[in-house]
Formats: sequence, C-alpha cells, structure tokens
Amino acid sequence: QSALTQPASVSGSPGQSITISCTGTSRDVGGYNYVSWYQQHPGKTPKLMIYEVSNRPSGVSNRFSGSKSGNTASLTISGLQAEDEADYYCSSYTSSTTWVFGGGTKLTVL
Amino acid sequence: QVQLMESGGGLVKPGGSLRLSCAGSGFTFSDFYMTWVRQAPGKGLEWLSYISSSSSTIYYADSVKGRFTISRDNAEKSLYLQMNSLRAEDTAIYYCVRFRLNAFEMWGQGTMVTVSS
Repeated sequence: QSALTQPASVSGSPGQSITISCTGTSRDVGGYNYVSWYQQHPGKTPKLMIYEVSNRPSGVSNRFSGSKSGNTASLTISGLQAEDEADYYCSSYTSSTTWVFGGGTKLTVL
Repeated sequence: QVQLMESGGGLVKPGGSLRLSCAGSGFTFSDFYMTWVRQAPGKGLEWLSYISSSSSTIYYADSVKGRFTISRDNAEKSLYLQMNSLRAEDTAIYYCVRFRLNAFEMWGQGTMVTVSS
C-alpha cells in the first residue's frame, strides 16, 4: 500500500492556473476511476473537492477540475485565489480492496 | 445539522488499548458506508478501515490489520474503532468519515490519540 506520489509543493500567483499531479500504478489510479481530491487548510478538517476523477460535489467551485491519464491523475485550480492556499491530497481505490492517499501537496498563492 | 462527532481519544502507553467512537447525526446513518482515516502530526492522511452499511464488508490497511477492529451500531448511529497493541507510530488525529460517491465525503472533527510512555 505505497502512497501515491504528489509534488511536495506548488505555487502560483492570483488569477493563474496550477496543476497538481498524483501518480500511482495500474493497480490503483490507472485501474479505477475512483480518484478523489481533498483540500485541507491548516488546523482544519479535509474537504472533498473532486470525486470519481472529475466530478465536483455540490458547493465546490467550478475553478476546481480533475482529470486522469494512465496512472496519473491531476487536479487543476484555475483563477487562483488566496483562499486556495492549503494542502491538497489525492486518493485512489486499489486492487487490494484498500484505499491509498497521496503524500500531499502544499499550495502557496504568491 | 449533518455531522460526525468522534470521542475516545487520549494518552495511552505503548501496548495499550483504546476504543474510539463516532456519533452520526442529521442523516440516516445506516444508509452509509463508513471509514476511519488518521493523520499523524504534521503528516499526510492515511486510510485505516472501511465498513459497509450492514457490516457485511470490512477492509483494513496493512498497517493496522490484526490490531484494529472497526464496527458499527446502526441503532445507535455510531461507528467504532477498537485499537489494541498501540505503538508510538499510531499517534495521530483519527477521523471518522462518511463514505459516499466512492470518496471520503464528510469528515468529523477528529480525536487525538497519543501513544507514549
């Protein structure tokens, strides 16, 4: 159950777009469309932002979008805002009937 | 108001046991699969366990298999995590999470577990 691979940090200026990658294997990200993304502000509870690769729950801004190609999933945030500064985690179902998270990415809005 | 509220965390010695509880309110608890996820201080998220609505299907992460036991009482609208043989590396915030949309949809506020002598 190795963690999915995410960049430790990404940054962008207000108004710009950024993309966070999440790399796994054919036994997790590549094998199932059960990739989800979570936002966590410091000291707060994680919040679901994207489910099943590219779907947004009700109430999540359409500035957040998800995609997948092969064994890599991506979260894109467009029109970056100061409030987007947070940690982001991806997660995937695995062939071992378990779930695995990525190591997390710290987004800094410059 | 839809919410999950964990309890039962605290300080325990290595090798000790602890039972976490999670009370669901504002929704039909018995309709949902539930999970436990933890986060060590300053670290990332780690999925621990999953239980189906009827308790017929249960899965565990390798890191806790054989030591932790997940259970639920739908009549009491509660989820539990029995933790035995605790180790220092089990120190973390433990979150009760409602599972929906094939994702960890709604999170409780978490309860802190510290394993230290």
